Amino acid sequence: GENVEQHPSTLSVQEGDSAVIKCTYSDSASNYFPWYKQELGKRPQLIIDIRSNVGEKKDQRIAVTLNKTAKHFSLHITETQPEDSAVYFCAASIEAGTALIFGKGTTLSVSS
Amino acid sequence: GAVVSQHPSRVICKSGTSVKIECRSLDFQATTMFWYRQFPKQSLMLMATSNEGSKATYEQGVEKDKFLINHASLTLSTLTVTSAHPEDSSFYICSARGAGYGYTFGSGTRLTVV
Repeated sequence: GENVEQHPSTLSVQEGDSAVIKCTYSDSASNYFPWYKQELGKRPQLIIDIRSNVGEKKDQRIAVTLNKTAKHFSLHITETQPEDSAVYFCAASIEAGTALIFGKGTTLSVSS
Repeated sequence: GAVVSQHPSRVICKSGTSVKIECRSLDFQATTMFWYRQFPKQSLMLMATSNEGSKATYEQGVEKDKFLINHASLTLSTLTVTSAHPEDSSFYICSARGAGYGYTFGSGTRLTVV
């Protein structure tokens, strides 16, 4: 089955800096790669996703890149703000029907 | 957008009792429901996948007789934790998929077994 590795587990940045979180996946059949932000005790919130036919996607300060050959994808947050502080999870699935398999999460702290 | 309602949001039960958690898709037909468990400061771990009208498929290490999943309709799936013990205390969350709808998460259930 799919296995998703995520690094780093914690990340501390200054407000305004960029943050990068990286994930690798094992199943070459996976074709859907979302990123979630989760606050304590809440459901994961989808912030951006990418499908395997695309190499990069951007939404304002957030971007995701995908390298299918290397089986890794990354989340880039620019101009970080204190409200970006949260736990971020990457995930992978075969979009037609399999479950999302999550990475272990990254706790991002943005200090002002 | 798609909404999945999950109840209860919090439950405290005594050791040895059973607890039922419900997930309802409010505005779409959930052909597939995924159930996850999340321990404090850990990731979401897939417990089982259920397709409407079929038996659930459990992940390795998840006891099917302890975590009973029912998905008898396209709008309702339930997870029953039977004979709960303190080690079952966790955050349980469902995720539904339907035709034309992506992964929609419920709001989660915080289970505490005392």
